[in-house]
Amino acid sequence: DAGVIQSPRHEVTEMGQEVTLRCKPISGHDYLFWYRQTMMRGLELLIYFNNNVPIDDSGMPEDRFSAKMPNASFSTLKIQPSEPRDSAVYFCASSPVTASQYFGPGTRLTVL
Amino acid sequence: QKEVEQDPGPLSVPEGAIVSLNCTYSNSAFQYFMWYRQYSRKGPELLMYTYSSGNKEDGRFTAQVDKSSKYISLFIRDSQPSDSATYLCAMSLYSGGGADGLTFGKGTHLIIQP
Repeated sequence: DAGVIQSPRHEVTEMGQEVTLRCKPISGHDYLFWYRQTMMRGLELLIYFNNNVPIDDSGMPEDRFSAKMPNASFSTLKIQPSEPRDSAVYFCASSPVTASQYFGPGTRLTVL
Repeated sequence: QKEVEQDPGPLSVPEGAIVSLNCTYSNSAFQYFMWYRQYSRKGPELLMYTYSSGNKEDGRFTAQVDKSSKYISLFIRDSQPSDSATYLCAMSLYSGGGADGLTFGKGTHLIIQP
């Protein structure tokens, strides 16, 4: 299995632009999670899905952030408009219902 | 006060030493406890997973949970330079951490000197 796949690996954009991060979970995993990691705040849960349905989005910082999971093999995290304080590493993770989470390699986002 | 506290380090020890990494937490409802290892510019990878209080051993790694003190530990025996990484503790309320989000400590940066 290829593991959790994320794209792009690096993204540099200017303030005000729309950013879309993509994730392909491990096949057969029912749960998908989006996390954000910064030096100041560490690793924080943004949102998670169960069988493509959003379960808890209380970690999404603002309305500028949105996430979708149109099918079992694909999810997106969108930031519109982006701001410099959104600069971070964004991780996607997936898991079967009773096992621990497997993380992707992350997308390093820089907003200038 | 953050839910999970973890000393960021860096913690530097000589090769072969026993390493002790720790976290404290405030939410007594946490039931599942995990340790992840993260190499530079990589995603976290699961090392150890325990439920409730007690010890669990896997090779050179031992995880301890003391729910009465809200304190968890990871011990690494015969430490190797390849163990140099950031170690993150994580915990969850339900199931095995798969069915709800994890709450992480900020991680301890560990350096094993050859």
